[in-house]
Amino acid sequence: NAGVTQTPKFRILKIGQSMTLQCTQDMNHNYMYWYRQDPGMGLKLIYYSVGAGITDKGEVPNGYNVSRSTTEDFPLRLELAAPSQTSVYFCASSSQGGSYGYTFGSGTRLTVV
Amino acid sequence: GDSVTQMEGPVTLSEEAFLTINCTYTATGYPSLFWYVQYPGEGLQLLLKATKADDKGSNKGFEATYRKETTSFHLEKGSVQVSDSAVYFCALSGGATNKLIFGTGTLLAVQP
Repeated sequence: NAGVTQTPKFRILKIGQSMTLQCTQDMNHNYMYWYRQDPGMGLKLIYYSVGAGITDKGEVPNGYNVSRSTTEDFPLRLELAAPSQTSVYFCASSSQGGSYGYTFGSGTRLTVV
Repeated sequence: GDSVTQMEGPVTLSEEAFLTINCTYTATGYPSLFWYVQYPGEGLQLLLKATKADDKGSNKGFEATYRKETTSFHLEKGSVQVSDSAVYFCALSGGATNKLIFGTGTLLAVQP
């Protein structure tokens, strides 16, 4: 039972580089989410998806893009990395949205230098 | 909009002490309420939840009661262990958006 799998676990990027954070779930959940966690700031929603082909912005979408071509995968793309994007990124999924809680991945720690 | 307010940490306790972490919320409608726990270097795990007023969620010795009259969902445990050291997040399901809204988290450190 893999649940939600995120890769990579750690990454260092230089300013201006791009990368994709991968997220895959094997629970056939329709809802998927990307959060970033900054020290002392809790979790902020970047993007979310309610099903394949449907995505929408969260609180802090600037500098990021997502796609949802399959139910299982929800990659997060960072274009032109900036130091302000240094954070821990969590992917989560849910069968029926927030009322039923989320299952989280183990996170990707990204440092932009 | 909907929001969650948690007591600030860190909270430092000795083993076997009583734990309370306060959580209050602002929401329209009748949200579900959650406590998540994050152990060092890991993702968030659902600890307990309550879906309607006066419900009590419980798990691993932790419990919290959904209090609509005081808009609160305080986390309690009668006797903490060193292994309970973690960050605890209170959250609510955000009404019409059906997304989870998190508090800022409370770091708990339990000393032997």
